[in-house]
Amino acid sequence: GENVEQHPSTLSVQEGDSAVIKCTYSDSASNYFPWYKQELGKRPQLIIDIRSNVGEKKDQRIAVTLNKTAKHFSLHITETQPEDSAVYFCAASRIPTFGRGTSLIVHP
Amino acid sequence: DGGITQSPKYLFRKEGQNVTLSCEQNLNHDAMYWYRQDPGQGLRLIYYSQIVNDFQKGDIAEGYSVSREKKESFPLTVTSAQKNPTAFYLCASTPAGSYNSPLHFGNGTRLTVT
Repeated sequence: GENVEQHPSTLSVQEGDSAVIKCTYSDSASNYFPWYKQELGKRPQLIIDIRSNVGEKKDQRIAVTLNKTAKHFSLHITETQPEDSAVYFCAASRIPTFGRGTSLIVHP
Repeated sequence: DGGITQSPKYLFRKEGQNVTLSCEQNLNHDAMYWYRQDPGQGLRLIYYSQIVNDFQKGDIAEGYSVSREKKESFPLTVTSAQKNPTAFYLCASTPAGSYNSPLHFGNGTRLTVT
């Protein structure tokens, strides 16, 4: 089955800095790569996704890049704000398999 | 207002008892999933169902059972065979045959077994 590795497990930044979270996957048949944000005690919610025919996608301060050859994709958050503090999960594969999550802490 | 409803939000059981977690959706989605979440472990797939009366084991199915008698409902039973059942359980769904759509999650059930 699919194996998704996510790094780092914790990321601490100052408000206004950029944050980058990276994921690698093993199944070359995977063609859909979503990112979810989960606040404490709540359900995960989709923040951005990318399909295998696209190399990069942006939505305001959030972007995702995909390198299918290397089997890795990354989440980029610019101008971080305290409300960005949460756990972020990447996922891959036809039956969604998740990374272990990254706890992002944005210090005011 | 379409969505996924999980109940109850909190559930407490004694060790050795089976317990069933409810998941209902009115999104008309064919595929439904159960994930377990533990601190630092991410979301791990327990079972999934892509059509009524059919379901498949995920990565950690041991000690769990499911049924899919109706499109709207996908209950999960945590049996006494599950060694560490205390966790946060999330139910999710996607449209039929779609491997390129995001998961819609319920609000989760936090199960505590003592």
